[in-house]
Amino acid sequence: SAVISQKPSRDICQRGTSLTIQCQVDSQVTMMFWYRQQPGQSLTLIATANQGSEATYESGFVIDKFPISRPNLTFSTLTVSNLSPEDSSIYLCSAGDRNTEAFFGQGTRLTVV
Amino acid sequence: GENVEQHPSTLSVQEGDSAVIKCTYSDSASNYFPWYKQELGKRPQLIIDIRSNVGEKKDQRIAVTLNKTAKHFSLHITETQPEDSAVYFCAATPGRQLTFGSGTQLTVLP
Repeated sequence: SAVISQKPSRDICQRGTSLTIQCQVDSQVTMMFWYRQQPGQSLTLIATANQGSEATYESGFVIDKFPISRPNLTFSTLTVSNLSPEDSSIYLCSAGDRNTEAFFGQGTRLTVV
Repeated sequence: GENVEQHPSTLSVQEGDSAVIKCTYSDSASNYFPWYKQELGKRPQLIIDIRSNVGEKKDQRIAVTLNKTAKHFSLHITETQPEDSAVYFCAATPGRQLTFGSGTQLTVLP
């Protein structure tokens, strides 16, 4: 099973600033994803992080707001830009291979003040 | 794309009783169906999964059933214990990203 390290675990940010979240996997994986989870809600997919190419975004999420990098098969970053209080949430990265278990990072709790 | 519906949203059972959570999916191409348990403040953790080539899978007190024709799958927990209290999510995928159900808050009453 893959071990995923995500950081920071939490942060408090000012409006208008940006936060970059890092996700490191201990082995090469085909797929990496970024999810948002509002308190008491399910996981909503933001985008699929594609190695060596632009991320694939889900409806309602755009690259300017959520730029994503994936320079190799073990690492990805998600930036949440131009923060507003509505961005306060938990952000989770996950990784896995086709038709197998997805492993999750421990999540980043973002509070925008 | 895939759409997964999950019921009930909350479920309370007495310790030792069974709990059943049901999900339906829309994409007939979906072929992998995991179930995750998420405790408060923690990451989702896989508890059991099933692939479309089998109808049932069991792991100790936990079982999952799949009906491909009806496009629904269910989680069964027997002899529930207080530590089973958590939020449970079903998910489905045709091979790439997982689509999650809305979650079920299970409370096991002592």
